[in-house]
Amino acid sequence: ETGVTQSPTHLIKTRGQQVTLRCSSQSGHNTVSWYQQALGQGPQFIFQYYREEENGRGNFPPRFSGLQFPNYSSELNVNALELDDSALYLCASSLPGQVQETQYFGPGTRLLVL
Amino acid sequence: AQSVTQLGSHVSVSEGALVLLRCNYSSSVPPYLFWYVQYPNQGLQLLLKYTSAATLVKGINGFEAEFKKSETSFHLTKPSAHMSDAAEYFCAVSAETGANNLFFGTGTRLTVIP
Repeated sequence: ETGVTQSPTHLIKTRGQQVTLRCSSQSGHNTVSWYQQALGQGPQFIFQYYREEENGRGNFPPRFSGLQFPNYSSELNVNALELDDSALYLCASSLPGQVQETQYFGPGTRLLVL
Repeated sequence: AQSVTQLGSHVSVSEGALVLLRCNYSSSVPPYLFWYVQYPNQGLQLLLKYTSAATLVKGINGFEAEFKKSETSFHLTKPSAHMSDAAEYFCAVSAETGANNLFFGTGTRLTVIP
C-alpha cells in the first residue's frame, strides 16, 4: 500500500511569484486535505477536496486555491506569494465523510519565500 | 468552536521516566480527538485517536491517552520514555461540522535525556 506522497520536498520562491505543490493520496482514499504549518506552530487547515470538489475551507485568502484530479491526486496553488507564506505544507488523505476518519499525512513540502 | 490547548511547549524527561503530555479541548459536541507525532523534517504520524468507543485509548509505540469529559482533557502518557520518543507531539480535534478537518494545538516538543 502506497502512502501519501508530496512533491517537491523543498522550494524557494520570491515574493509575488506563484507556486504549485502536488500530492498523491494513499491508495483507496478519495478525500485530500491541505494544511499549512508555520515554524513552531501546529498545522492549520487550508481546504479539503472530495471527488474533485472543494469540501471545506479554512481561514485562508482566495489566492490559495486547489484542484483534485480523477485519480484523487491534488494540487495546491498559491498566487502572489508573501513572506508569511513560508511554511511546511502538508497534504493528508482519508476516507470520506466521517469526522473520526484518520487523516494520513505526507512528508510535506517546505516552501521558503524570499 | 472547537480547539485544543497543549500545556507546555517543551517537556524534558529522563530515559525510562514517565512521559505526560497535556491536552485540553473545547468542543460544543462530543469530540473526536487525535494525537500525532512529528519527527524532524517529516510529516505527521498518527499515535492514537479517541472516537467514543473507550475512554482509555492505546496507541502505537507504547503510548496511551485517557479521555476525561469532566476535565475536557485528553492527556498522552507513556510509562517509560525511550530516546526514540524525542519528537514534536500534536493534539488535534475534529471539526464539528462540514469537512472532517482537524484543529491542532501548537505542539509539545519532547526531549529525552539519556
